[in-house]
Amino acid sequence: ILNVEQSPQSLHVQEGDSTNFTCSFPSSNFYALHWYRWETAKSPEALFVMTLNGDEKKKGRISATLNTKEGYSYLYIKGSQPEDSATYLCAFDGSGNTGKLIFGQGTTLQVKP
Amino acid sequence: DGGITQSPKYLFRKEGQNVTLSCEQNLNHDAMYWYRQDPGQGLRLIYYSQIVNDFQKGDIAEGYSVSREKKESFPLTVTSAQKNPTAFYLCASWDRGRGANYGYTFGSGTRLTVV
Repeated sequence: ILNVEQSPQSLHVQEGDSTNFTCSFPSSNFYALHWYRWETAKSPEALFVMTLNGDEKKKGRISATLNTKEGYSYLYIKGSQPEDSATYLCAFDGSGNTGKLIFGQGTTLQVKP
Repeated sequence: DGGITQSPKYLFRKEGQNVTLSCEQNLNHDAMYWYRQDPGQGLRLIYYSQIVNDFQKGDIAEGYSVSREKKESFPLTVTSAQKNPTAFYLCASWDRGRGANYGYTFGSGTRLTVV
């Protein structure tokens, strides 16, 4: 059974703090790694889809890195703001063109003003 | 605006009844997916469809059924055979033609409570 693990499960930081969390996934049959942000009462939204070992992607204050050989990805948030409070999901695609994703359990971030 | 609509947002059913959750998209995406969320667990795949009139079982298909008669619609039926149906259900779609660099589009979910 393929497993995707995210850590920590939850995180509380102060506004302005920088933070990061980890996603671990199988290092074989890699096709893509997705990151989603899921705010309360909204739909999950795609942040990044990463396909190449060594990929780094950035969107505003949020960035992500990918290591497919060792099976991990980091998500970084620089200078956290209250609006960054959400659950961050990572998902592993080892299926090729079916788009089947295996999701981690998520990291819930709370940013206090 | 294009998107995915799930309805209803909240659904209550008595034990032993079948119930159908609606998922409609106007994004022209070929692939559609149903996931289930339980507390403390990641989203788990129930069924998926890559094209009209075709669908495949996911990891937890037992007690569920789907149909894909139209590209826009992928309804999920939770049958009385599903032992723990109370959960949050998410529908998603994906544009296979754009390839691996694009993520899912999700609906807003249906929370099903069976009493």
